[in-house]
Amino acid sequence: DAGVIQSPRHEVTEMGQEVTLRCKPISGHNSLFWYRQTMMRGLELLIYFNNNVPIDDSGMPEDRFSAKMPNASFSTLKIQPSEPRDSAVYFCASSPTGGQGGQPQHFGDGTRLSIL
Amino acid sequence: AQSVAQPEDQVNVAEGNPLTVKCTYSVSGNPYLFWYVQYPNRGLQFLLKYITGDNLVKGSYGFEAEFNKSQTSFHLKKPSALVSDSALYFCAVRVSSGNTPLVFGKGTRLSVIA
Repeated sequence: DAGVIQSPRHEVTEMGQEVTLRCKPISGHNSLFWYRQTMMRGLELLIYFNNNVPIDDSGMPEDRFSAKMPNASFSTLKIQPSEPRDSAVYFCASSPTGGQGGQPQHFGDGTRLSIL
Repeated sequence: AQSVAQPEDQVNVAEGNPLTVKCTYSVSGNPYLFWYVQYPNRGLQFLLKYITGDNLVKGSYGFEAEFNKSQTSFHLKKPSALVSDSALYFCAVRVSSGNTPLVFGKGTRLSVIA
């Protein structure tokens, strides 16, 4: 089975540019999560969606960050304008509903973002 | 609020020896507990979970974890470590039913030395 697919795997761009990260969740999964991982802060939840609806975006660091989920099979995380401190590995994860909270989250392999 | 603590940043163990990676949790209800492993340049991979029932949970790659309610712990264990077990390990907790996000610990780096 295909897992969570993220693209691109690596992105290097200059400060001020717009960055768009993409995620395709596992088919049939109703929840989608965006995380950021850095050495200093570890793994941080940015935002999550249930049934394509954003539920909690309190982890989005600034207004420069936005996320959308136009349908059940696609989500984007956009940074505009990007800054060097946004450099990190960004992960997308998905999980099915049901199981009374016992469902694990399945992670993609991440996008390594470097802002110069 | 729910939280997870992994008290050790790094654990070193000789190949063939048993390993333990520690995790304690703090929740206001019944916890759902998870362990994940992360290899370099990869995403987190699910290892095992505790929902209810038997306190000893078995998972992938020979790993197991023991739920201890009185000590609020969920330590990851393996009887005989392999060099290939070297990776970053994360403990996570969810308290409510439904698909709220997991709350992750800061991770413990395991190094298995040949």
